[in-house]
Amino acid sequence: NAGVMQNPRHLVRRRGQEARLRCSPMKGHSHVYWYRQLPEEGLKFMVYLQKENIIDESGMPKERFSAEFPKEGPSILRIQQVVRGDSAAYFCASSPGRVNQPQHFGDGTRLSIL
Amino acid sequence: DQQVKQNSPSLSVQEGRISILNCDYTNSMFDYFLWYKKYPAEGPTFLISISSIKDKNEDGRFTVFLNKSAKHLSLHIVPSQPGDSAVYFCAASGDNFNKFYFGSGTKLNVKP
Repeated sequence: NAGVMQNPRHLVRRRGQEARLRCSPMKGHSHVYWYRQLPEEGLKFMVYLQKENIIDESGMPKERFSAEFPKEGPSILRIQQVVRGDSAAYFCASSPGRVNQPQHFGDGTRLSIL
Repeated sequence: DQQVKQNSPSLSVQEGRISILNCDYTNSMFDYFLWYKKYPAEGPTFLISISSIKDKNEDGRFTVFLNKSAKHLSLHIVPSQPGDSAVYFCAASGDNFNKFYFGSGTKLNVKP
């Protein structure tokens, strides 16, 4: 399966712990995007990365959230000191970075904070 | 600032009839538009797209119409099937072709 792979599919954390969400883009895609979907809401853009670079993080909270896309390995979205309000579905998408090419999404990580 | 808007949170249609989902945008720099379908507990799946040089694009039962002067696009599904029941998101890009703006989604229910 050459699709976008996210893991884990479900993640449970207690308040104050760290959450790490992983995303492997489709083969040949060098652009990764993270979105958050709260219950009964749409997709909210968080951050856009290329290999080793953050291109746009305008949708990501300034504190506790960080993202990376290293030269080797998956993209990581890290949430430190999680709070109940971080409970959501987090989706990763990738694209080849060419004009008029769609993003393709993974099946998401559902983060639950106890 | 919501640059892509889907004003109907839900739509209910009888099987076999036409489903019309609407989307409005505000940024005149947008030149590429997409529709995604999302089932519960799955990621959005790319459905169909259209570039601004066209006003219509068709793929099987799905047709997307673009009205640039009105900054409006729509997705027509004919005939609608129960399996089409899902949340549909429209998206747009253009000023930075690598950044996509998504609407809030319309939940379509196709009744058998």
